[in-house]
Amino acid sequence: DGGITQSPKYLFRKEGQNVTLSCEQNLNHDAMYWYRQDPGQGLRLIYYSQIVNDFQKGDIAEGYSVSREKKESFPLTVTSAQKNPTAFYLCASSMVRSGNGYTFGSGTRLTVV
Amino acid sequence: AQSVSQHNHHVILSEAASLELGCNYSYGGTVNLFWYVQYPGQHLQLLLKYFSGDPLVKGIKGFEAEFIKSKFSFNLRKPSVQWSDTAEYFCAVIPDSNYQLIWGAGTKLIIKP
Repeated sequence: DGGITQSPKYLFRKEGQNVTLSCEQNLNHDAMYWYRQDPGQGLRLIYYSQIVNDFQKGDIAEGYSVSREKKESFPLTVTSAQKNPTAFYLCASSMVRSGNGYTFGSGTRLTVV
Repeated sequence: AQSVSQHNHHVILSEAASLELGCNYSYGGTVNLFWYVQYPGQHLQLLLKYFSGDPLVKGIKGFEAEFIKSKFSFNLRKPSVQWSDTAEYFCAVIPDSNYQLIWGAGTKLIIKP
């Protein structure tokens, strides 16, 4: 079945460490997105990519980095510069300019300890 | 700036009550409209969407939404809710100008058995 796989489901990080969240899709979608979900704030866009080897900052990119070396993969690194990294992170994908909405992964809950 | 407003952050209803969740957007051009649902512990799923045609859209699990262009609204309704409808509901819009989803802040719906 086609879909988006995020791993791990739960992740614990010590302060000062970088961690990388995985997102893989086999939907042949061009565009991929990373969102952060916090209670009462909805979904906030961190980074997005519409084509391999290119990505754009979203609304809250500071303290995060991404890469898009393959169409299927869009890993997100939460760096030590991110002041408040504890959150639920969602990856999504879509066809560019389809207007057809996004398909979401099941998310990764990151906790800084 | 383009934005989506959801009127209520939290809604508590008893089983069999009728539901209406408000959603308004700010964009004067053509839009595609979506409602997503996130059940506890699960990933975001598409509930229904509107692209064109009949402004009354029927989705899964008995939900429907009505697009009122003059009011820039896309309210979600269900005549009789069930305990299993407890979830967070997100309204989202894709404007024809950029083909990216713009999200509302979400409404947490709690159904009392």
